[in-house]
Amino acid sequence: GNSVTQMEGPVTLSEEAFLTINCTYTATGYPSLFWYVQYPGEGLQLLLKATKADDKGSNKGFEATYRKETTSFHLEKGSVQVSDSAVYFCARMDSSYKLIFGSGTRLLVRP
Amino acid sequence: ETGVTQTPRHLVMGMTNKKSLKCEQHLGHNAMYWYKQSAKKPLELMFVYSLEERVENNSVPSRFSPECPNSSHLFLHLHTLQPEDSALYLCASSQDSLAPYNEQFFGPGTRLTVL
Repeated sequence: GNSVTQMEGPVTLSEEAFLTINCTYTATGYPSLFWYVQYPGEGLQLLLKATKADDKGSNKGFEATYRKETTSFHLEKGSVQVSDSAVYFCARMDSSYKLIFGSGTRLLVRP
Repeated sequence: ETGVTQTPRHLVMGMTNKKSLKCEQHLGHNAMYWYKQSAKKPLELMFVYSLEERVENNSVPSRFSPECPNSSHLFLHLHTLQPEDSALYLCASSQDSLAPYNEQFFGPGTRLTVL
């Protein structure tokens, strides 16, 4: 099966709420980890990344910390906006430097 | 044009048609990718090209035929498709296909419907 597991969506929040989207992975070693975002009608964009254990990636108010103990890379944001509504994909790099994606989590932020 | 562009954005075809998807990257990258995005499934990597040579073919049916004439262009030729091939087809590029910090830049995709 897929070695990147994300929480199923959709996640529906009110504006300014706290966001967590869970992501766990299975791998040997310590692969680079990524979060991509896909806005409606667009392709995926890299949101943030972490390349080694305990690194924290951050961008646009989003953060994720590479936790090797729990093999997790949960995405968080303290205060979401309507414009954050999108599909979020967690991904890891495999030993051949290819990206393995999770199935995506849809976020809907209501005003 | 900047980034990664894909044409057409939408395509409807019958099972006996032949069509092609086009991708162009304006980033000076050396690697290009085709992905298939189906509803409620993870992105599926189909093909990887590095310096115009195919380096990955993930057991994709022969009714999908990629072509990479140069490092800026990538095509996906389609023939005798099935309705289950309906999906969003995404193209991506990266500086190198063999790098640990391999940021991929995606195009907007072609929404394909097979009738």
